[in-house]
Amino acid sequence: GAGVSQSPRYKVTKRGQDVALRCDPISGHVSLYWYRQALGQGPEFLTYFNYEAQQDKSGLPNDRFSAERPEGSISTLTIQRTEQRDSAMYRCASSLDSYSGNTIYFGEGSWLTVV
Amino acid sequence: AQSVTQPDIHITVSEGASLELRCNYSYGATPYLFWYVQSPGQGLQLLLKYFSGDTLVQGIKGFEAEFKRSQSSFNLRKPSVHWSDAAEYFCAVAPPGGYNKLIFGAGTRLAVHP
Repeated sequence: GAGVSQSPRYKVTKRGQDVALRCDPISGHVSLYWYRQALGQGPEFLTYFNYEAQQDKSGLPNDRFSAERPEGSISTLTIQRTEQRDSAMYRCASSLDSYSGNTIYFGEGSWLTVV
Repeated sequence: AQSVTQPDIHITVSEGASLELRCNYSYGATPYLFWYVQSPGQGLQLLLKYFSGDTLVQGIKGFEAEFKRSQSSFNLRKPSVHWSDAAEYFCAVAPPGGYNKLIFGAGTRLAVHP
């Protein structure tokens, strides 16, 4: 696609429910990243993939958070048993590969509100 | 720990005035440095980046940034601001020679008065 596409753009869910956020990266991009951005803060790294392999998940806050990219293209970030503190914008990004120097392109983000 | 500080949360300038947004970083070595802009309803867009070489970097939309090693700073500048520049600006760093794991500052929100 022309850019990084994320869905849903807005999600309101009840505490305790599971949520899945989807990311469709730019076609041909090997590397895919997930960031989380709380109100008034900059984005924080969660995890990244090269192809289908999860290379670094050091930013995932706890084991309720998981991500996959089974075919090396579309990725899903799943939050189980959501809590109010999970409310944030979740940003997906992609780049040609993960070497420094390649521009990271960000999607518009998915706003998650847990009530 | 690595960190990025953007001291100004909000800045207001008049259209046509010059602009400087501050960014300081804390890092063991000189990192790779970036400025991103987020306009309403848009994703984060890369304005410019610095890896090495000339410390004055030109970017898109008439922006430039200067890397000052002695001050651990990478300030963003524009000589004449347009109303369309109103947005939130984020400074970010990445490990030199490493993969693109960005560490962002908290952002500076820019308002432009006519």
